[in-house]
Amino acid sequence: GQQLNQSPQSMFIQEGEDVSMNCTSSSIFNTWLWYKQEPGEGPVLLIALYKAGELTSNGRLTAQFGITRKDSFLNISASIPSDVGIYFCAGRIPPNDYKLSFGAGTTVTVRA
Amino acid sequence: GAVVSQHPSRVICKSGTSVKIECRSLDFQATTMFWYRQFPKQSLMLMATSNEGSKATYEQGVEKDKFLINHASLTLSTLTVTSAHPEDSSFYICSARGETGLKSGQFFGPGTRLTVL
Repeated sequence: GQQLNQSPQSMFIQEGEDVSMNCTSSSIFNTWLWYKQEPGEGPVLLIALYKAGELTSNGRLTAQFGITRKDSFLNISASIPSDVGIYFCAGRIPPNDYKLSFGAGTTVTVRA
Repeated sequence: GAVVSQHPSRVICKSGTSVKIECRSLDFQATTMFWYRQFPKQSLMLMATSNEGSKATYEQGVEKDKFLINHASLTLSTLTVTSAHPEDSSFYICSARGETGLKSGQFFGPGTRLTVL
């Protein structure tokens, strides 16, 4: 079953705002991934993190791999309407590096 | 990134029939593919791991005789829902694992919406 706690569950944000969401785990992960899913589609990879402490950006998105290897956050800066969707964190638990465990998701709705 | 397709995108079937869903990696070879199930407003739950040329590995609680998986080539895995019932209605998503350069990582298909009447 899932071992990730993702929060918040949902958020309404004003266009232009910066927002943040995070995931925590009771287990150590060796990889953290952040995906975005739009209705009726599969998840799309946004950012992949491979080392504790790593901070990576992809456009307006920034994510960090916590130094304890048990947490990660995703920031979206200057929100725009197309940021609407569900954001999932996912982690790979050693020693099985191929299987992913997913968080419950954060639903983002942008107010124009 | 790499492209993964699924077919069909939507299917409606009668209770008791079987439905086959295809997952293809279009521009890379995938020795490993994964099948997930997602209920409305919920996260993705891994059902099974499919390895080319060998039997699939099912997660706890997933009936292997109910959800038949075949990974006959490096670019194709199929999931067959046998004797489908309304409780099998869900969004089924596959992912394929690439290992080389820009194609390394796990890439998801667009999903298949199954409705069992």
